[in-house]
Amino acid sequence: QVQLVQSGAEVKKPGASVKVSCKASGYTFTSYYMHWVRQAPGQGLEWMGIINPSGGSTSYAQKFQGRVTMTRDTSTSTVYMELSSLRSEDTAVYYCARVSTYYDSSGPIDYWGQGTLVTVSS
Amino acid sequence: DIQMTQSPSSLSASVGDRVTITCRASQGISNYLAWYQQKPGKVPKLLIYAASTLQSGVPSRFSGSGSGTDFTLTISSLQPEDVATYYCQKYNSATWTFGQGTKVEIK
Repeated sequence: QVQLVQSGAEVKKPGASVKVSCKASGYTFTSYYMHWVRQAPGQGLEWMGIINPSGGSTSYAQKFQGRVTMTRDTSTSTVYMELSSLRSEDTAVYYCARVSTYYDSSGPIDYWGQGTLVTVSS
Repeated sequence: DIQMTQSPSSLSASVGDRVTITCRASQGISNYLAWYQQKPGKVPKLLIYAASTLQSGVPSRFSGSGSGTDFTLTISSLQPEDVATYYCQKYNSATWTFGQGTKVEIK
């Protein structure tokens, strides 16, 4: 069965960086794109970007350009999201989420990680 | 970037009521539109994709329609377990924007 298991909660100070991991299992890792989506407390879902685990290409939301980096390690079937220059407004639950369509980024999300709470506080 | 605007932002309805949520895209997106349900403390769940295709296992009281810029999610007979926030998402081209969400409560 498809599973996306994310790393644990993080507490960071303003200005620091955070790197969240998402380990995939139960399917061919390189065949399905992966999104990163975040949700601030009591707020809606916010799309951050997408990575192609096969070639490593990425597309980021304009809001996060220059601050976010998405990478992958095919040897461990893991994708990573690193967000730098953290501020209090970045406090949120961060999700990895798999695109449902085979080798195609234009598909809905069918599986989500459990979420990683990142708290930014001095 | 294409913006996705949902309405209303919240609604309260009685059990058995028909509930309709709308999602409008700032530019045409054909039928590249999904609807998700998120219950409190849970991850989102895919309900509908391609604007009107019901995801496997989703109750038939949920339906979707629309194409281009205007889309709707309908719950034909609201049930207590449908209390949740509902999000639309476009998934074509280079951005995968979500609507701001519609919170559905029982009156």
